[in-house]
Amino acid sequence: EDQVTQSPEALRLQEGESSSLNCSYTVSGLRGLFWYRQDPGKGPEFLFTLYSAGEEKEKERLKATLTKKESFLHITAPKPEDSATYLCAVQAASGNTPLVFGKGTRLSVIA
Amino acid sequence: DADVTQTPRNRITKTGKRIMLECSQTKGHDRMYWYRQDPGLGLRLIYYSFDVKDINKGEISDGYSVSRQAQAKFSLSLESAIPNQTALYFCATSDPTSGITSTDTQYFGPGTRLTVL
Repeated sequence: EDQVTQSPEALRLQEGESSSLNCSYTVSGLRGLFWYRQDPGKGPEFLFTLYSAGEEKEKERLKATLTKKESFLHITAPKPEDSATYLCAVQAASGNTPLVFGKGTRLSVIA
Repeated sequence: DADVTQTPRNRITKTGKRIMLECSQTKGHDRMYWYRQDPGLGLRLIYYSFDVKDINKGEISDGYSVSRQAQAKFSLSLESAIPNQTALYFCATSDPTSGITSTDTQYFGPGTRLTVL
C-alpha cells in the first residue's frame, strides 16, 4: 500500500531561521512526488513535482529535494508569509491511481 | 475567473437533510476528485472520476454519492447528512501528461465548509 508520512506535524520558526520539512514515502514505483502549500480555510496550491532521486526544484525561499525514500522541503530565511501547512503527495508509476497525500506539516514563522 | 469553482462556499444544514455540493472547472481536465479534510486527518479521498463514464470510490465513500454530469462538472451528494460529515470539502482536477516527466498534478478548488447540526 502506498503511504506518505510527514514530519514534524508542526514547526515554529523565528523569521530568518532556516529549516527543513520531511516527507517519507513508500510507493510501488514512483511516477511523481508533489508538494503543495495550503493556507487556512483554502484549497491546496501546487508548488513542485519531483520525478527521480537527486532532482531538486526551487521557488523563492523554498527548495525541494528527492531521494529514493524521502523528500525534503528546505525553507531558507523564512518570512511570516511562509506560514502555512505544507502537504506532500505521491503517485504510483501506473499513473492510474490518485495521489496519496500525507497529513501535512503546519509551519508558523514568527516575526 | 477561478479555474475550479465550488458552490456553495459555506453551508449549515440539519441531520437527515440531503445536500449537494457542486464543482465546475474550466481547465478542460478529464479527471476530477472529491476530498474531505478534517483537523489532524489530512485530505481523504471520497470519490474520483477519470472521465465522464468512469466513477470510482475512494477510501471514505460510505454516506456519499457522486454524479459526473459533464467533463466540467462533478457533484457530491450527502443523501442523509449526519454530524460527523461536518468538514471542509475540496474538489480537484487533473490532466495526466505523457513523456519522461509525465505528471498528474491536481489543482484544487477553494473548498466548501459544511456544518451538519
